[in-house]
Amino acid sequence: QVQLVQSGAEVKKPGASVKVSCKASGYTFTSYYMHWVRQAPGQGLEWMGIINPSGGSTSYAQKFQGRVTMTRDTSTSTVYMELSSLRSEDTAVYYCAIKDSPYYYYGMDVWGQGTTVTVSS
Amino acid sequence: DIQMTQSPSSLSASVGDRVTITCRASQSISSYLNWYQQKPGKAPKLLIYAASSLQSGVPSRFSGSGSGTDFTLTISSLQPEDFATYYCQQSYTRNTFGQGTKLEIK
Repeated sequence: QVQLVQSGAEVKKPGASVKVSCKASGYTFTSYYMHWVRQAPGQGLEWMGIINPSGGSTSYAQKFQGRVTMTRDTSTSTVYMELSSLRSEDTAVYYCAIKDSPYYYYGMDVWGQGTTVTVSS
Repeated sequence: DIQMTQSPSSLSASVGDRVTITCRASQSISSYLNWYQQKPGKAPKLLIYAASSLQSGVPSRFSGSGSGTDFTLTISSLQPEDFATYYCQQSYTRNTFGQGTKLEIK
């Protein structure tokens, strides 16, 4: 079955970077775009960006431009999301998600389990 | 970026009630509107995509409508498992979520 498995929780100091991974299985990795979404404690969902695993092209939310980088490794079916210059407001659960079809604009129906990133001095 | 505004922000209702949540986009997004349900500590679950298409496996008491800038999610008869937070999301250009609507038991 289609599955996304994310890396474990991270604790980082302000100003550092974090790199979260999302390993895909159960489908052809290069067929479906992958989104990253985060959720701060007690807050709503925030879309960060999307990557096309086939060619590696990306599109980021304006808020994260210059601070986020999404990459992929087709040999391991893994997508990475790196966020730099961390501040306390980046403390959140980070999710990867896909639409289990080529129509990536029709929502996200498969989600990773989430990775908690805590930014604290 | 396109702004998405949901109303109400919270809602109290009883089992069996009919409930409607609205979502308004800051510009036309055609039908590129999706709805999610999220329960505490869990990842969101896709309910409706393309404004009115029911995601596979989602009960038929959930329905969506609208196009352009105004959209609604309707739950025809609330069940105990429906008490959760609901989000709209536009996928017309990049993506944006609404701020959420928390549905609570009256």
